[in-house]
Amino acid sequence: EDKVVQSPLSLVVHEGDTVTLNCSYEVTNFRSLLWYKQEKKAPTFLFMLTSSGIEKKSGRLSSILDKKELFSILNITATQTGDSAVYLCAVTPGGSEKLVFGKGTKLTVNP
Amino acid sequence: KAGVTQTPRYLIKTRGQQVTLSCSPISGHRSVSWYQQTPGQGLQFLFEYFSETQRNKGNFPGRFSGRQFSNSRSEMNVSTLELGDSALYLCASSLRLSGGISSSYNEQFFGPGTRLTVL
Repeated sequence: EDKVVQSPLSLVVHEGDTVTLNCSYEVTNFRSLLWYKQEKKAPTFLFMLTSSGIEKKSGRLSSILDKKELFSILNITATQTGDSAVYLCAVTPGGSEKLVFGKGTKLTVNP
Repeated sequence: KAGVTQTPRYLIKTRGQQVTLSCSPISGHRSVSWYQQTPGQGLQFLFEYFSETQRNKGNFPGRFSGRQFSNSRSEMNVSTLELGDSALYLCASSLRLSGGISSSYNEQFFGPGTRLTVL
C-alpha cells in the first residue's frame, strides 16, 4: 500500500529560525513528489520534484528529493510568522493521477 | 486566471440525507480530482475525472459518486449521509492532456473546499 510519512508532526520555532521538514514514502512506480502549504482552506502548491538530487528553490523555501533513500526535505530559512501553516507532502504512484498525502507537519512561527 | 472554485462553501445536513457538491476547474484544465480531508485521516483521494470519465477511484464506499460535464465542471454526490462524512471536501484541477497513463505528471491546484457537517 502506498504510504507517505511526514516528520515531525508539529514544530514551534521563533522568527528567523531555519526549519527542515521531512517526508519519506513508499509508493508503487513513483512518478513525482509534491509539497503543499495549507493555511486555512485550500492547499497551495509549492514544489514538484521528479528527479533525484535536484534542488527546487523559491525564495526562502527549497526542497530536494532522494529517490534512492525514498525521502524528501523541505527547508525554510529565516522563518516568518506568515510561514505558519501545515506543510503537506504527497506522491503520485504510477498509473494514477491521484495524490497520496502524508498527515502533514504543523509549523508555528512565533514572533 | 481564476482559480478552482467550489460551491457551496459550507453545508449542514442530517444523517440519511444526500448532498451534491460542485467544482469548477481552472480554465483549460480537463482533469478534476476530489479529496476528503478529516483531522484523523488527513487528505484522502476520492476519485478523478477526465473528459467526463472517471479515471481513478479511491477506497470509499459506493455512496460517494461523481460526474464531470463537457465543460470540465464536476459534481460530487454523497448519498445516505453518515456522521463520519463530516469533512472538508477539496477539489483539484490539473492540466492533464490525455486519458492514458503518462510518465509525466501535472501538479494539481486546489479549490477552497466545501465544509460539510452531518448532524
